[in-house]
Amino acid sequence: EVQVVESGGGLVQPGGSLRLSCTASGFTFTNYPMHWVRQAPGKGLECVSRISSGGDSAQYADSVKGRFTISRDNSKNTLYLQMGSLRAEDTAVYYCARRHLTVGVLDNWGQGTLVTVSS
Amino acid sequence: VLTQSPATLSVSPGERATLSCRASQSLGNKLAWYQQKPGQAPRLLIYDTSTGATGIPARFSGSGSGTEFTLTISSLQSEDFAVYSCQQYYTWPWTFGQGTKVEIK
Repeated sequence: EVQVVESGGGLVQPGGSLRLSCTASGFTFTNYPMHWVRQAPGKGLECVSRISSGGDSAQYADSVKGRFTISRDNSKNTLYLQMGSLRAEDTAVYYCARRHLTVGVLDNWGQGTLVTVSS
Repeated sequence: VLTQSPATLSVSPGERATLSCRASQSLGNKLAWYQQKPGQAPRLLIYDTSTGATGIPARFSGSGSGTEFTLTISSLQSEDFAVYSCQQYYTWPWTFGQGTKVEIK
């Protein structure tokens, strides 16, 4: 069974940092590009970042560029999101999602991890 | 920008539901639909405008092209009451609509 499980969320003060992890199982992780998508309370979904299957290419939404870094360790089947200079507007549930192999959609999602930025 | 309408749709079980997603620029057929229930992750329903994802019941169908897209649920079942979001993957960053909540009438 394909599964991705996020961890690392929590309460952090404005300006602080946090690292999210996403552990994958049930599929060949090294073959798939991966994404982070977030959802602020009561709001729609927002693509935050994506990384190629080999980890050599990454892209970011303008809202997080320069503050967040996506990475992956294919030997550990794990995706990361290093978040810095956090702001109140970064408060959201962060989802890890697998990109479909041939189509630009997200075909498997984790249950999400909540990040709350507040003093 | 993706604009979904209506924001909320009240439908009785067994009835048809029609949801709309309008794009501010042409997307070709690069449009997907997701279902999300409270406290759960989104679930891919439709991609490439009209192709059903693996395991999705046939009562879910998609249509449209360019800037106008539609998700139709032919006969609503109890498990279909949820929020539905469209997503474009024509250009990065991929974007989602704000969602349509389908509720029991």
